Amino acid sequence: GAGVSQSPSNKVTEKGKDVELRCDPISGHTALYWYRQRLGQGLEFLIYFQGNSAPDKSGLPSDRFSAERTGESVSTLTIQRTQQEDSAVYLCASSFKQGNSPLHFGNGTRLTVT
Amino acid sequence: DQQVKQNSPSLSVQEGRISILNCDYTNSMFDYFLWYKKYPAEGPTFLISISSIKDKNEDGRFTVFLNKSAKHLSLHIVPSQPGDSAVYFCAASGNNDMRFGAGTRLTVKP
Repeated sequence: GAGVSQSPSNKVTEKGKDVELRCDPISGHTALYWYRQRLGQGLEFLIYFQGNSAPDKSGLPSDRFSAERTGESVSTLTIQRTQQEDSAVYLCASSFKQGNSPLHFGNGTRLTVT
Repeated sequence: DQQVKQNSPSLSVQEGRISILNCDYTNSMFDYFLWYKKYPAEGPTFLISISSIKDKNEDGRFTVFLNKSAKHLSLHIVPSQPGDSAVYFCAASGNNDMRFGAGTRLTVKP
């Protein structure tokens, strides 16, 4: 079956521009997570959605970052006025439920801010 | 606020020997622990997990050990194979989220 799909796979943007990253989770997965991995570092939690509950936005690094999810389907992560430090691989993952359930990751979007 | 720590950024072992990857956590609310494996240009893939009610879980060549009193877990791979070369992430889950360590790059030499 189809796994988690992320688009675009690569994005190069100029500093100050806005970018939108997309994630299509596995069908039926109610939980969806966004992580960021900077070069040589671990996975940094950004935000997660669980069904129709209010999302946990505690990991978003600044108000330039926002994310939306329509029901239990597609999610978009938006970064406004991008900065060079936003350059990273942005990973999306989904699971059947939050908590004790493995996450299934997409291949990520590599964002480069020049 | 690093709640999950992998203190060894890299590990190199000979093919056929045991690989031991370590992970420490600080949050006592974590009750589910996982190991993920990541190849370049791909997302992490789930490898093995353990619930806090257990102290060991085995799946083929992979065994995860949990020491709750020490807030420590480890992944043993035996025998190690060159195809095991990848970055391994430890993860811990509690009420509402899953936190990851910084990863350990394992290299298995033929």
